[in-house]
Amino acid sequence: QVQLVQSGAEVKKPGASVKVSCKASGYTFTSYDIDWVRQATGQGPEWMGWMNPHSGDRGYAPKFRGRVTMTRDTSVSTAYMELTSLTSDDTAVYFCARGLRPGRWLPGDWGQGTLVTVSS
Amino acid sequence: QSVLTQPPSASGTPGQRVTISCSGSGSNIGSNTVNWYQQFPGSAPKLLIYSSNQRPSGVPDRFSGSKSGTSASLAISGLQSEDEADYYCAAWDGGLNGYVVFGGGTKLTVL
Repeated sequence: QVQLVQSGAEVKKPGASVKVSCKASGYTFTSYDIDWVRQATGQGPEWMGWMNPHSGDRGYAPKFRGRVTMTRDTSVSTAYMELTSLTSDDTAVYFCARGLRPGRWLPGDWGQGTLVTVSS
Repeated sequence: QSVLTQPPSASGTPGQRVTISCSGSGSNIGSNTVNWYQQFPGSAPKLLIYSSNQRPSGVPDRFSGSKSGTSASLAISGLQSEDEADYYCAAWDGGLNGYVVFGGGTKLTVL
């Protein structure tokens, strides 16, 4: 079955960077886009961007351009999301999600989430 | 402030039918299909409805979706206690360089 397993919780200081990983299994990693979505406590999800693991093409939400980088390592079927210049507003659970179908589809399957806490 | 507007709460008694609305604009719901997700505390969202009215395998047919103009709705019939959760709508916004927008969520309480 499709599984997206994310790296563990992180605690960062303001100004630092964080890199979250998302290891895929149960399907051909390069056939489906990966989206990254974050959710602060008590808030709705917030889309950060997407990446095509086959081509490396990516698109970022305007709010995160310049601070976020999405990459992948196809040899280990893993996607990565790095966010820089962290502030307390970046404290949230970060999810990776697979598109429902090949091509640009809204998220279907989700990882378990990674809590990133930004605190001095 | 979420781009898609949902009522913050909804409620119903077991067996009832409940509807949750999601309002957007011409650039998102008006031009694209809608997904609905169910989320329990401490868990990831789970896909309930895709392409506005399609159910993934394994989702009970008590859940249904519809879309009209710039609004979408999720209906839950035969409400059960285990349906108590948060529900979110999502849609693409814009064209080729578009992005995904979500609703702020509706907390469903089964009385």
